[in-house]
Amino acid sequence: ELKVEQNPLFLSMQEGKNYTIYCNYSTTSDRLYWYRQDPGKSLESLFVLLSNGAVKQEGRLMASLDTKARLSTLHITAAVHDLSATYFCAVDGVNNAGNMLTFGGGTRLMVKP
Amino acid sequence: DAGVIQSPRHEVTEMGQEVTLRCKPISGHNSLFWYRQTMMRGLELLIYFNNNVPIDDSGMPEDRFSAKMPNASFSTLKIQPSEPRDSAVYFCASSFRQFTGELFFGEGSRLTVL
Repeated sequence: ELKVEQNPLFLSMQEGKNYTIYCNYSTTSDRLYWYRQDPGKSLESLFVLLSNGAVKQEGRLMASLDTKARLSTLHITAAVHDLSATYFCAVDGVNNAGNMLTFGGGTRLMVKP
Repeated sequence: DAGVIQSPRHEVTEMGQEVTLRCKPISGHNSLFWYRQTMMRGLELLIYFNNNVPIDDSGMPEDRFSAKMPNASFSTLKIQPSEPRDSAVYFCASSFRQFTGELFFGEGSRLTVL
């Protein structure tokens, strides 16, 4: 059974600081996704990482994937209040019939002014 | 593109009543997923369909839950009878497997069972 673990589960940080969220998973996969969820809202796709060594950047967020270590990171650079949200990683537990994403527990990020 | 459309957005019902949640996936997507989100259990995959066929329903909590996908543009999740512990936000998501497999989520249906 595929297990996906994120840490930290909760992160409170000051504006302007840098930090990294980690996503570890238990079985082989080369497809990993990052989502953002604002309170009371749906999940919004941030990054799609489809191979070992993949790196994607959007604004102050950068995601990377190391399939050998079964690890993805979401790095936040110079955080701003607008980044406050819950971030989920999801891993594709590929089977023959179709994909099935398993989500981590989420990291709730709070950026303080 | 209208995105994934779910209805109703909010549903309040009494224990024992039947609840039906509806989902219209993005046109052209061939996989559809139902997730449930609660504070205690996070995001749980209930069932997913590939080309309208149920592939994995191991996440469906019990026989009170059923899901159908009669065609490529419509799916339902039914709870009968409903119980207070079913209160949650239910998300429908769709994807095109042969492309990136990225899931696109609907706005969710918030269910409250009294």
